[in-house]
Amino acid sequence: EPEVTQTPSHQVTQMGQEVILRCVPISNHLYFYWYRQILGQKVEFLVSFYNNEISEKSEIFDDQFSVERPDGSNFTLKIRSTKLEDSAMYFCASSRTSGGPYEQYFGPGTRLTVT
Amino acid sequence: DAKTTQPPSMDCAEGRAANLPCNHSTISGNEYVYWYRQIHSQGPQYIIHGLKNNETNEMASLIITEDRKSSTLILPHATLRDTAVYYCIVRPDNAGNMLTFGGGTRLMVKP
Repeated sequence: EPEVTQTPSHQVTQMGQEVILRCVPISNHLYFYWYRQILGQKVEFLVSFYNNEISEKSEIFDDQFSVERPDGSNFTLKIRSTKLEDSAMYFCASSRTSGGPYEQYFGPGTRLTVT
Repeated sequence: DAKTTQPPSMDCAEGRAANLPCNHSTISGNEYVYWYRQIHSQGPQYIIHGLKNNETNEMASLIITEDRKSSTLILPHATLRDTAVYYCIVRPDNAGNMLTFGGGTRLMVKP
């Protein structure tokens, strides 16, 4: 069964450093998403991406965040200057764009620890 | 904010049916009821969704009341591996719509 994959599984970085989280969505999906979950809190939507542009973003997704689909398979989330409060699990998801249903398939997540 | 209300926790005996309720009294006509679950800190997993008819798949059944203001997810024979947080989410069934997660119900399946 096709699945969303994410790398790395755990990333440790120092405050102020840039990090890139990588995702490989399901191959015939064209809508991509990033969510995050701070330890003990709810899963929060960050951004959705379609046709090489952001289609929706939350208030959390400020100027320090960016997303990119650099090639035909990867989807990345970049945090330019990490803060302690960016420590969280980051989940990538993908979904179909036509023909329904439009459930989102999630990857296993990347645990980001900012020290 | 989540448009659904769920009990924070429930217990179920292994092998018995788990019935997880959800209230969504402000649901709109074009919104579907989706259920996801999150096992430990893994990525959320899609379970089932429906508009107004009852739905069943290999994982679960979804019962939606006639007025669509509430629903129940049924795991017919719960196993220890079904211990997870279950989220009820309402959203249009369109490509690209974000999922808004609430607190969910923490289901503990006990031997």
